[in-house]
Amino acid sequence: DGGITQSPKYLFRKEGQNVTLSCEQNLNHDAMYWYRQDPGQGLRLIYYSQIVNDFQKGDIAEGYSVSREKKESFPLTVTSAQKNPTAFYLCASAHRGNQPQHFGDGTRLSIL
Amino acid sequence: AQKITQTQPGMFVQEKEAVTLDCTYDTSDQSYGLFWYKQPSSGEMIFLIYQGSYDEQNATEGRYSLNFQKARKSANLVISASQLGDSAMYFCAMREIVNDYKLSFGAGTTVTVRA
Repeated sequence: DGGITQSPKYLFRKEGQNVTLSCEQNLNHDAMYWYRQDPGQGLRLIYYSQIVNDFQKGDIAEGYSVSREKKESFPLTVTSAQKNPTAFYLCASAHRGNQPQHFGDGTRLSIL
Repeated sequence: AQKITQTQPGMFVQEKEAVTLDCTYDTSDQSYGLFWYKQPSSGEMIFLIYQGSYDEQNATEGRYSLNFQKARKSANLVISASQLGDSAMYFCAMREIVNDYKLSFGAGTTVTVRA
């Protein structure tokens, strides 16, 4: 089945540790996105990529990093510089233009 | 400035009744798209319906319809014949060409359907 796979579903981070969230899509979409959602809130854009080997900062990029070496994959690293990383992280992808973004099932990140 | 405003934090609706979720937006772009997503308690985001700024007809998808009033910059979602499975958080979002096709989301409205 075509779709977006995020892993792991739950992730725990120790102080000073970097962690990487995986996002893979087999929809042949050009654009991929990472969002952060805090409890009871809307989604805020962290990073996005419109094409392989290129990505741009979103509204809350500080403390995060990404790479886009393959069309299918857009991993997000939460670095130790992100002091409040506890949140729900959603990855999405889309064809370019006014096409809806399709989302993965999300990763819940907590601090140990 | 807030691009998407959803003024209803939470709503209750009786099963089989219709419910309208409000969404207003702010843009100076002539070409944009409006989206509604549903987020159940499990967390996944489900695309429901899309309205383009140049579409003359209101979008409909099954029990979902979008009441698009361009002059008022309003894109309300109407869910008809509510079902218990409609209980979820609903987000309005806008995509603007001038904003590099990024989506801006509202804060969401929680809908609880009562039996």
